[in-house]
Amino acid sequence: GAVVSQHPSRVICKSGTSVKIECRSLDFQATTMFWYRQFPKQSLMLMATSNEGSKATYEQGVEKDKFLINHASLTLSTLTVTSAHPEDSSFYICSAPEGGGQGAPEQYFGPGTRLTVT
Amino acid sequence: GDSVTQMEGPVTLSEEAFLTINCTYTATGYPSLFWYVQYPGEGLQLLLKATKADDKGSNKGFEATYRKETTSFHLEKGSVQVSDSAVYFCALTSNSGYSTLTFGKGTMLLVSP
Repeated sequence: GAVVSQHPSRVICKSGTSVKIECRSLDFQATTMFWYRQFPKQSLMLMATSNEGSKATYEQGVEKDKFLINHASLTLSTLTVTSAHPEDSSFYICSAPEGGGQGAPEQYFGPGTRLTVT
Repeated sequence: GDSVTQMEGPVTLSEEAFLTINCTYTATGYPSLFWYVQYPGEGLQLLLKATKADDKGSNKGFEATYRKETTSFHLEKGSVQVSDSAVYFCALTSNSGYSTLTFGKGTMLLVSP
């Protein structure tokens, strides 16, 4: 199946700094990618939809100025957490849809990035 | 809007026991239904899916049947293994062409030898 990678897998940063997380589709092109946030023992919360060549679409309650998304190419989307605070510590997961056939395209998920803000 | 409800965990079983994780959904139209599995420290992997009513998805011994009349997609496995210990997420997506997934809260499965 298709592969989605994320980098870094883990990052620790100081409060007030910015952190960039990359999401790449390795063997297919993705005009759309999704960014999720997962709190411990909770489900995935969709943060935003990343669109190649246009602005990202943010879910209600997600600060677009804090979570900057750039879909630079058909295989790369980046999420930058600006001026990070401890409450931004979380597990961030990206996904990309590919193929389809019958029904909606299948989503392929990255392995996630554990962000810890100290 | 769309929603998915899963039974709360953790579900604790002995090896070779029978597994059922309940999942029900609310959606407009005819959604596609999915089960994803998340192993510790990893992202999600698609376990199985069903795209229309009465379809049965199956993979690695797991099965789930799309029941439109009861709006359910329960996950079952006849004999679990220790390696099945993970968090299982039920999810749906509408068939409108936009592939945003709506997830349940996840159910942790712990299998002991």
